Amino acid sequence: GQNIDQPTEMTATEGAIVQINCTYQTSGFNGLFWYQQHAGEAPTFLSYNVLDGLEEKGRFSSFLSRSKGYSYLLLKELQMKDSASYLCAVRAEDSSYKLIFGSGTRLLVRP
Amino acid sequence: GAVVSQHPSWVICKSGTSVKIECRSLDFQATTMFWYRQFPKQSLMLMATSNEGSKATYEQGVEKDKFLINHASLTLSTLTVTSAHPEDSSFYICSANQNEQYFGPGTRLTVT
Repeated sequence: GQNIDQPTEMTATEGAIVQINCTYQTSGFNGLFWYQQHAGEAPTFLSYNVLDGLEEKGRFSSFLSRSKGYSYLLLKELQMKDSASYLCAVRAEDSSYKLIFGSGTRLLVRP
Repeated sequence: GAVVSQHPSWVICKSGTSVKIECRSLDFQATTMFWYRQFPKQSLMLMATSNEGSKATYEQGVEKDKFLINHASLTLSTLTVTSAHPEDSSFYICSANQNEQYFGPGTRLTVT
């Protein structure tokens, strides 16, 4: 079966750093994605990891360990607009490239 | 980046009627599109993979006769919710694949 786990909710303070974890157990693996989704809107792409290690893109970084089935999204210098849901998704190994989403983590940034 | 549109952005219909939602890739061709459903405070659940020129592939538990998918061209896929019921009220999102998945803005369906 396919299983992707994320914490349901997190709270952090403006200006701080927050790490959102994602663990996965899937029958295939062809990359892991992180998306940001504000309420009532479609997800927007944040990052993509297919090899082990850290990918940095501005205030956002994403890490992957394939052997551990583990990833995290790191958000630095938090801003109020970062309050949103963060979705971890694994791309299946088959040719359809469909994504399997985790339950999402709702992040609340407080002043 | 690639742009995907959906129409309508929201729709209200009466129970028992059918509703069609369109998903278009505006500046690229997509042989594969995906349809998701999202209930409040939940994540995206993949409903089906839409394949241009062939039958859609439905995920387990999704009724293919209720959620009709047509992918007639490389830029358009449609999802028709037939005989809609209040429990079908949800946020429906499509995506099109071009190296990565690009999501449409979603369609809010409310069945009364």
